[in-house]
Amino acid sequence: ELKVEQNPLFLSMQEGKNYTIYCNYSTTSDRLYWYRQDPGKSLESLFVLLSNGAVKQEGRLMASLDTKARLSTLHITAAVHDLSATYFCAVDANAGGTSYGKLTFGQGTILTVHP
Amino acid sequence: EAGVVQSPRYKIIEKKQPVAFWCNPISGHNTLYWYLQNLGQGPELLIRYENEEAVDDSQLPKDRFSAERLKGVDSTLKIQPAELGDSAVYLCASSWTGTGTTTQYFGPGTRLTVL
Repeated sequence: ELKVEQNPLFLSMQEGKNYTIYCNYSTTSDRLYWYRQDPGKSLESLFVLLSNGAVKQEGRLMASLDTKARLSTLHITAAVHDLSATYFCAVDANAGGTSYGKLTFGQGTILTVHP
Repeated sequence: EAGVVQSPRYKIIEKKQPVAFWCNPISGHNTLYWYLQNLGQGPELLIRYENEEAVDDSQLPKDRFSAERLKGVDSTLKIQPAELGDSAVYLCASSWTGTGTTTQYFGPGTRLTVL
């Protein structure tokens, strides 16, 4: 059974600081997604990482994937209040080829950015 | 482009009552998913459809839950009878499953409260 673990689960940051959220998973996969969820809202797709060494960046967020270590990171640079949300990683239960389409989500990391 | 549409957004029922949720996926998406999200946790897959076929319903509690996707477009998820533990947010997502990436796009969800 695929297990996905995020840490930390809660992250309180000051504006302007940098931090990293980690996502570890238990079985081989080369397809990982990051989503953002605002309170009471649905999930918004942030990044799709499809191969070992993949790196994607959008604004102050950068995501990377190390399939050998079964680890993905979401790095936040110079945090601003608008980044406050819950961030989920999700792993596709498939290795190589086309997507299996079955996502297993982590528990989520609640990020709060303070002035 | 319209996103995934779900209704109702909120539903409050008494235990043992039936309830149904409706989902309209993004136009052209052949794969539809129903997820359950408990408070403070990541979504968990209940059922996945490719066109009209349920290709993964292993996590669906079939004694009380049922789903259908007529004509391979809209879908309905039903619970009968509802139990207190069914209180959660029910999310619908859709994607185009073919070669390449299969990012799942989520609807706003239906928040169910069972009293």
